[in-house]
Amino acid sequence: DAGVTQSPTHLIKTRGQQVTLRCSPISGHKSVSWYQQVLGQGPQFIFQYYEKEERGRGNFPDRFSARQFPNYSSELNVNALLLGDSALYLCASSRSLTDTQYFGPGTRLTVL
Amino acid sequence: GQQLNQSPQSMFIQEGEDVSMNCTSSSIFNTWLWYKQDPGEGPVLLIALYKAGELTSNGRLTAQFGITRKDSFLNISASIPSDVGIYFCAGLLNSGNTPLVFGKGTRLSVIA
Repeated sequence: DAGVTQSPTHLIKTRGQQVTLRCSPISGHKSVSWYQQVLGQGPQFIFQYYEKEERGRGNFPDRFSARQFPNYSSELNVNALLLGDSALYLCASSRSLTDTQYFGPGTRLTVL
Repeated sequence: GQQLNQSPQSMFIQEGEDVSMNCTSSSIFNTWLWYKQDPGEGPVLLIALYKAGELTSNGRLTAQFGITRKDSFLNISASIPSDVGIYFCAGLLNSGNTPLVFGKGTRLSVIA
């Protein structure tokens, strides 16, 4: 079975731009979570979606938004990019809200 | 927010040696997870622990869920060069729909 997939792999943007990151969960998984990982740190929780509804939100500004589609794939949007948004953005999927989460390879975002 | 204290931050060991790392928290966790992350990749699940006192093995890896539910450790026996990477502990809090909380990671280097 295919694991969690994310696209694109790498992305370079400039300050003020907007970016959309995409995630496809493992087949049968209905929950998708997004994490931001800056260099040298553990992943920090951004959002969790289950059955197309937002079920959790981390301590991130409103510039960050996400949604989940009927096929359970998800998009993370970040507006008005700042230099500090440069990070590895990870998507994880799980069968339910509390089941074990499996991570994708991440999208490396660089903001110049 | 919740934090996990993971130690040590980094380790340099000889090939063949055993390794031990741990995570502690001031909060009670419902689930403890251990992940390994290679450079530029997403975290890969190694071991999941669901019950206090549980001891689980995965090949040369052994992890335990502390009986107080506030700590966990991971042991790697007879280390090999491919064990190199960053190991993260993560926990699910014992209340409602809460996200995974990660430690800052233990960077393992294996000297052949």
